[in-house]
Amino acid sequence: EVQLVQSGAEVKKPGESLKISCKGSGYSFTSYWIGWVRQMPGKGLEWTGSIYPGDSDTRYSPSFQGQVTISADKSISTAYLQWNSLKASDTAMYYCARALGGGYMDVWGKGTTVTVSS
Amino acid sequence: DIVMTQTPLSLSVTPGQPASISCKSSQSLLHSDGKTYLYWYLQKPGQSPQLLIYEVSSRFSGVPDRFSGSGSGTDFTLKISRVEAEDVGVYYCMQGIHLTWTFGQGTKVEIK
Repeated sequence: EVQLVQSGAEVKKPGESLKISCKGSGYSFTSYWIGWVRQMPGKGLEWTGSIYPGDSDTRYSPSFQGQVTISADKSISTAYLQWNSLKASDTAMYYCARALGGGYMDVWGKGTTVTVSS
Repeated sequence: DIVMTQTPLSLSVTPGQPASISCKSSQSLLHSDGKTYLYWYLQKPGQSPQLLIYEVSSRFSGVPDRFSGSGSGTDFTLKISRVEAEDVGVYYCMQGIHLTWTFGQGTKVEIK
């Protein structure tokens, strides 16, 4: 079964760093993109960026460029989304999804809730 | 950035009746490879999003045939021929023609 398993909920303070993960199984991890999608409380979906674990090619939404870092460790079939200095406005649910090029996201993780509060 | 604009933003539908959602992009989504990179996703309450329609009109595996997508260039439509209770949620169009992808604002579909 193809699945993406995301790391658990996080509660952090402003200024702290964070790295959340998305582990793929049941398919060739290096042959598909992994996309990250943000959903702020009560709001819509926002594409954050994507990585192709096969060669680490990474793309970012202009809105998120410089704010987050996307990476992957293909040896353990895991993609990451990280922040160096969290803000309260980073509070959201973050989904990862398996993707083909062009926006075809066919398998989704259950999401990781990130809460940033002092 | 390509801007995706959906209308309406909410829809209340009687079961068994049709529903239609419009999505307009600020640029053509027709790629030089001949494909149009327009997708429809549904997020049911409390769930992760799920792929419904890819490349304008192709239904994803397991999606009922009451869902159909149409359109070209910059104007697209998702139609539900007969809405069922399980269709409630927020529908999003999304473009993937460029290296950066963007979602529409979402259309919330409720049952009357």
